[in-house]
Amino acid sequence: DAKTTQPPSMDCAEGRAANLPCNHSTISGNEYVYWYRQIHSQGPQYIIHGLKNNETNEMASLIITEDRKSSTLILPHATLRDTAVYYCIVRALGGPSGYSTLTFGKGTMLLVSP
Amino acid sequence: DAGITQSPRHKVTETGTPVTLRCHQTENHRYMYWYRQDPGHGLRLIHYSYGVKDTDKGEVSDGYSVSRSKTEDFLLTLESATSSQTSVYFCAISEQLQKGYTEAFFGQGTRLTVV
Repeated sequence: DAKTTQPPSMDCAEGRAANLPCNHSTISGNEYVYWYRQIHSQGPQYIIHGLKNNETNEMASLIITEDRKSSTLILPHATLRDTAVYYCIVRALGGPSGYSTLTFGKGTMLLVSP
Repeated sequence: DAGITQSPRHKVTETGTPVTLRCHQTENHRYMYWYRQDPGHGLRLIHYSYGVKDTDKGEVSDGYSVSRSKTEDFLLTLESATSSQTSVYFCAISEQLQKGYTEAFFGQGTRLTVV
């Protein structure tokens, strides 16, 4: 799987939008971009994923550049509960057995302050 | 939240003893995973399973074995625990919704301390 690069930490004021960048310059055409987060002492939580079109769900929006070499996760109105480590993961299509595994990097620590 | 339970949640064991961690799911998902998390390393895959009795190694499989005799249970065994295996262990499950699309749900973790 392609590697990703994320800033180690970011700050955001409560109520403002949090924009978390991710670089994946070696991404292949069949690889998806996934975002997870991990709140302290809890298991990771799936947020959103996409291939090349922008995606939105109840938690966040994912903006993928046209060349697919980078993406941005947007939390539109950050709350204190959004303080967590956010992981950007590039994931290939499944192998011969139809599965594909997640490879986590070190992520971005997002601190939302009052 | 997905029905995924890890047991025990906390365990302290002595070096050289065998340890088995259990992951139980009620979602009937095909794929199950064991990860470990250590400071400075993020999450690293130990082993995964893509069906009953079908397992494969991940990035850090040395010193670990797994078994999956039924869909709902995935066991991680440390045959002879070492201090380097002190870590937080997470189980995850996923299902292939369509080709190339999978989502994973994670358990709450097991904190293992080897003394």
